[in-house]
Amino acid sequence: AIQMTQSPSSLSASVGDRVTITCRASQGIRNDLGWYQQKPGKAPKLLIFAASSLQSGVPSRFSGSGSGTDFILTISSLQPEDFATYYCLQDYTYPLTFGQGTKVEIK
Amino acid sequence: EVQLVESGGGVVQPGGSLRLSCAASGFTFHNHLMTWVRQAPGRGLEWVGNIDQGGSGKYYVDSVKGRFTMSRDNAKNSLFLQMDSLRDEDTAVYFCGRVSTVPMSEQIDYWGQGTLVTVSS
Repeated sequence: AIQMTQSPSSLSASVGDRVTITCRASQGIRNDLGWYQQKPGKAPKLLIFAASSLQSGVPSRFSGSGSGTDFILTISSLQPEDFATYYCLQDYTYPLTFGQGTKVEIK
Repeated sequence: EVQLVESGGGVVQPGGSLRLSCAASGFTFHNHLMTWVRQAPGRGLEWVGNIDQGGSGKYYVDSVKGRFTMSRDNAKNSLFLQMDSLRDEDTAVYFCGRVSTVPMSEQIDYWGQGTLVTVSS
C-alpha cells in the first residue's frame, strides 16, 4: 500500500498567518490527491481534489499544489474557523490511504 | 440537498456481527461510487472500502478483507456494510461517503455524520 506521510503532525498559528502542510507519498501518484478538513465530532470536508482543484464552495484562501510524491496545502490567511485537523488522501490506487493528519491549533 | 444518514452502529462482542446502513438522498445514487471510511477514537481516518455504481466492483483495505462486505440497493438509494468476525480494533466511527464523479478522481465529496461501532466484551 502507498504510505502518505504528513508534516508537521501539529502546528500552532495565529489568525492571519500563512500556513503550509506537506504530504509525501511513498511512490509517485501523479496528481491523484485530495485534502480534507475535519473539526471535532464532525465529518471531514473535501477542500481540494486532483492536488490543486478547489472544491466548490471552499474559500479561495485554501490552495493545493504538487505532483508525483510531494504535495502542499496552503492556507493563505488563517481564519478562526480554520482551526481543525487536515488530512490528505491518495486516490491513485487501491487501497486508498490517508495521511496521519495535521492538527492546526491556535497560538 | 445531498444527505447521507448512517445507522446500525452499537456495541457488539468480539467475534460478533453488525450491519451498517447508509440512506442517501438528494442526488442520483446509482451514478456514484460509494465508500466507507472509519475513525478509531482519537485517531486518524482510515479508508475501509469502495463499491462501484452497479455493486459488482468492491475494493477493501487488507485489514477487513474476508470479514466485511459492502453492498448497495440502488432501488432504495441505500448502502450497506456487513461486518463479521469483529475485533477490538474495529471500534470506530464509520462514515459513509459519496465519491465524486470528477473524471479520474475518487475523492469523497459528501459524508454522512457517522455511526459508532464499539467492539467490546
